[in-house]
Amino acid sequence: NAGVTQTPKFQVLKTGQSMTLQCAQDMNHEYMSWYRQDPGMGLRLIHYSVGAGITDQGEVPNGYNVSRSTTEDFPLRLLSAAPSQTSVYFCASSYSNEQYFGPGTRLTVT
Amino acid sequence: GQSLEQPSEVTAVEGAIVQINCTYQTSGFYGLSWYQQHDGGAPTFLSYNALDGLEETGRFSSFLSRSDSYGYLLLQELQMKDSASYFCAVSVAGNTPLVFGKGTRLSVIA
Repeated sequence: NAGVTQTPKFQVLKTGQSMTLQCAQDMNHEYMSWYRQDPGMGLRLIHYSVGAGITDQGEVPNGYNVSRSTTEDFPLRLLSAAPSQTSVYFCASSYSNEQYFGPGTRLTVT
Repeated sequence: GQSLEQPSEVTAVEGAIVQINCTYQTSGFYGLSWYQQHDGGAPTFLSYNALDGLEETGRFSSFLSRSDSYGYLLLQELQMKDSASYFCAVSVAGNTPLVFGKGTRLSVIA
């Protein structure tokens, strides 16, 4: 099993550009989520999904969209990148009490 | 709102024991989890407590007191590789996102 995979690992965007961060898991987990991690802020939830076709907002959803068309994939879309979205983004999936995190995407918006 | 409090930094000597505390105020409570994150890496699951008491997994133990809204992670026989950030996280309801604390940076010194 590959676990949770994320692409790309690194990305630089200009203000106003859009892009999609990819996340996939091969563990057949229903629950998936996206977090952003900034220095001193811990992990903050952006969006999450409890199954295909179901998504909901987390603590910091503004500027991001998600969809869940399959159990395996949970992409995160940045609609119009802003410097405030410079961060490390983690995708996670879980079946019960343990969350499995992907390796992260380090995003810089200039 | 939801809040979790944990110390921002802890330093301990190799071979010693260290305790990282976490207090929480949340709208609900299903369980308390602990995650470890090395610099540049992804968070990895350490433990989960749903009931009061101590759970032991090798050198790591985790404790929960639901009446005090308090838990801790105990690391014994510290090794240099234990230098990392440690996050407590609360499940406020079933099948819902975790709420994370801001993390405790543990430095193990010789």
